[in-house]
Formats: sequence, structure tokens, C-alpha cells
Amino acid sequence: SQTIHQWPATLVQPVGSPLSLECTVEGTSNPNLYWYRQAAGRGLQLLFYSVGIGQISSEVPQNLSASRPQDRQFILSSKKLLLSDSGFYLCAWSPGTAYNSPLHFGNGTRLTVT
Amino acid sequence: AQSVTQLGSHVSVSEGALVLLRCNYSSSVPPYLFWYVQYPNQGLQLLLKYTTGATLVKGINGFEAEFKKSETSFHLTKPSAHMSDAAEYFCAVILNQAGTALIFGKGTTLSVSS
Repeated sequence: SQTIHQWPATLVQPVGSPLSLECTVEGTSNPNLYWYRQAAGRGLQLLFYSVGIGQISSEVPQNLSASRPQDRQFILSSKKLLLSDSGFYLCAWSPGTAYNSPLHFGNGTRLTVT
Repeated sequence: AQSVTQLGSHVSVSEGALVLLRCNYSSSVPPYLFWYVQYPNQGLQLLLKYTTGATLVKGINGFEAEFKKSETSFHLTKPSAHMSDAAEYFCAVILNQAGTALIFGKGTTLSVSS
């Protein structure tokens, strides 16, 4: 069966420090991968998605970047965190398009920037 | 641009009462619509989806939703609330014609009292 791993579960970082959140999927190949952010009052915001290795689409201009160095690995990064980067970050995968494949979410990383 | 509006950030019902969570959408492509549920400190899971065909869609845990094109709505209902239904609910619409991602609403928190 397929599983998604996301870590760390919680993270407290000072303003200006770098960030690296990692997400890996097991038990499938060539998944679509997603990063969403959930912040108070703003709902669930799509940040990045990837349909293949090295293919990254950004939906919101921001202080973050994403990379997909391997088929089942998706990394969210920042060179210098801002206070506004605080939130709950969710990685998700789907086996195909959203038309016929549900998104499967990880358990999230709660990031607090101080 | 695709968007989803969930009316009411917080809905409270008594156990056994009708649950109604409202969702209106805007879509420049044929709308494919979804409801996801999130339990505390977890990722989201799919409740139900509308793609084509029957406009009344049944999902897990006794939930259903009706797609009404004339009203651009996709409201979620359940005839009788259970305590275990307390969670956050998200409506979502397909991002683009390729179906590569979902755009979520801001979510509605459902509270159920005994």
C-alpha cells in the first residue's frame, strides 16, 4: 500500500533562518506531488505542485521554493524565513490527475517562525 | 480563475440535527468539485466528489452533496450529526483543465454538541 511521510511534525525557527521540509511517498511511482499551507483565516493554500522529477509549478509568489530531486521526494525550502511563513504545511500526493484521483495528505508540519 | 467560497467559518449543531455546510464556486472550466475533511492535527481525507453525471453525490460517513450549476453551489449535508463528525471541512474545485491540482476554500469548522 502507499504511504506518505512528512517530517518534522513540528518546527520552531527564528526569522531569517533557512527551512527544509521533506516529504516522501512509498509504494507508488510517478505520483503528482503537492505542497499546501494552512494558516489561520486563510484556509488551505496551494503553494507548489509537481507532475514529474524536476517539474515544479508555483501557484503563489512567496518566500518559498520547492524541488523534486527524486520521483517520490518533494522538498519545500526557504533561504530566509519570515514571520508570515508560520503555518501548517501539508504535503500530498495523487496517482493521477485530480479528476479521478483523490489527494492523499501527510500529517503535516507545524512551523512557527519566531 | 478558480475559487471556492465557504459560507460560515464555524457551524455548530446538536447531535442528531441536520448538518449543512455551504460552498459556492467560480470556475472557468467545467467544475469538478470535492469535499475533504480534516480531523485535528491530521491531513485531509476525501469525503466525496462530483465529476460528471448524477448531481447528487454520496460520500463516506453518511455525507452527501448536491451540485447545482444554476446556483454555482455544492453544499454538503448529513441528515443526523454524530459527535465524531466534529472536524474541519474543505470544499475544493479543480485548478485547471488538466486537473493537475485542487483549489481549496477556507474551511468550515463543524462543532457537534450532545
